[in-house]
Amino acid sequence: DQQVKQNSPSLSVQEGRISILNCDYTNSMFDYFLWYKKYPAEGPTFLISISSIKDKNEDGRFTVFLNKSAKHLSLHIVPSQPGDSAVYFCAASGDSSYKLIFGSGTRLLVRP
Amino acid sequence: DTGVSQDPRHKITKRGQNVTFRCDPISEHNRLYWYRQTLGQGPEFLTYFQNEAQLEKSRLLSDRFSAERPKGSFSTLEIQRTEQGDSAMYLCASSAGTDTQYFGPGTRLTVL
Repeated sequence: DQQVKQNSPSLSVQEGRISILNCDYTNSMFDYFLWYKKYPAEGPTFLISISSIKDKNEDGRFTVFLNKSAKHLSLHIVPSQPGDSAVYFCAASGDSSYKLIFGSGTRLLVRP
Repeated sequence: DTGVSQDPRHKITKRGQNVTFRCDPISEHNRLYWYRQTLGQGPEFLTYFQNEAQLEKSRLLSDRFSAERPKGSFSTLEIQRTEQGDSAMYLCASSAGTDTQYFGPGTRLTVL
């Protein structure tokens, strides 16, 4: 039972354009959502998060949108840069352990 | 800020051998998490500690796996009688009791 789903395994965008990565979840108890970026042979690096009491959070080129009614969140990267090429994981938590439930990731390629 | 460190970075072992991994969290982080990641998947939660107490274990953590955090600082994860299915990246993360977890570089285990 996959509680967090990233249905697009890969995405390719041109440098300077917007990258939009999507994530769906099924557990209505989730109240905190995070995006991590991962390069090969490294651990995930925290990018941005959002609480369920908000619908948008912005940090520089990265913006996360949360649609609770649709159980959907997205990460927007504007403008995309070649250094953004990596695998992006969506994660969610919703209990006192704060353990993270991850999606399967989306590989982003930003073409120069 | 030295970040989360893990040792070793790579471990190759023969089936049936025991292995032990170490994680040093960010200093003063009271929560420490272990995750496992296999190819093409997101990290999966294994167990977590609050200070020295192990508070939750996933059903993924069979009785061949044991984790400790004896003084509430570093943690070890031991796998006894390794099997080929144990081959994965083992990730450690720490947090200061908030939802944001910071990951180490991981230990890549290969069981021959």
